Amino acid sequence: AQSVTQLGSHVSVSEGALVLLRCNYSSSVPPYLFWYVQYPNQGLQLLLKYTSAATLVKGINGFEAEFKKSETSFHLTKPSAHMSDAAEYFCAVSATGANSKLTFGKGITLSVRP
Amino acid sequence: KAGVTQTPRYLIKTRGQQVTLSCSPISGHRSVSWYQQTPGQGLQFLFEYFSETQRNKGNFPGRFSGRQFSNSRSEMNVSTLELGDSALYLCASSSMEPTDTQYFGPGTRLTVL
Repeated sequence: AQSVTQLGSHVSVSEGALVLLRCNYSSSVPPYLFWYVQYPNQGLQLLLKYTSAATLVKGINGFEAEFKKSETSFHLTKPSAHMSDAAEYFCAVSATGANSKLTFGKGITLSVRP
Repeated sequence: KAGVTQTPRYLIKTRGQQVTLSCSPISGHRSVSWYQQTPGQGLQFLFEYFSETQRNKGNFPGRFSGRQFSNSRSEMNVSTLELGDSALYLCASSSMEPTDTQYFGPGTRLTVL
């Protein structure tokens, strides 16, 4: 079975500061890993995904994540936060493919202070 | 091309009623998955359909059911609604490429009174 742990429910950063959202996973097979973002009253938008190619994955809006098998982690980073980054972020894992059942973490709300 | 569409966007029902939600996938996508999102339980997988067959099912009671039509459009039905069924129901579609992505619709917000 797969599971995802996102530490903390809320992260607050200043505009221009580094964004670091943590995600640890558990999977019995090599995982597919994802980060999604959700803005209020909207669905989920894919930021980036890891599908066993490069361990450093670049996504949209300046976000990137690094797959570290030894640490079972897939942390999301962005060098400089923008006010428009304020949203809820979800890490997800799939065992069988990017198009299969996703198991999500609880989500992290990112606030950006001016 | 057009994204995933879900109808209706908002729905209010009373306990004991039943409800049907609709999802139209991205053109060419044959796999449709449904998720329930609540503040307490987060995002939980309900079921997945491919070529009109349920391929995977989450841990939900039998009151939750779904189906997929030959044009890949999908519906989910919840019978005998309970207050705890109030949630955002998200539909996602994908192609059959394992490295592809699930694309999510805007969701249907169901409120049970």
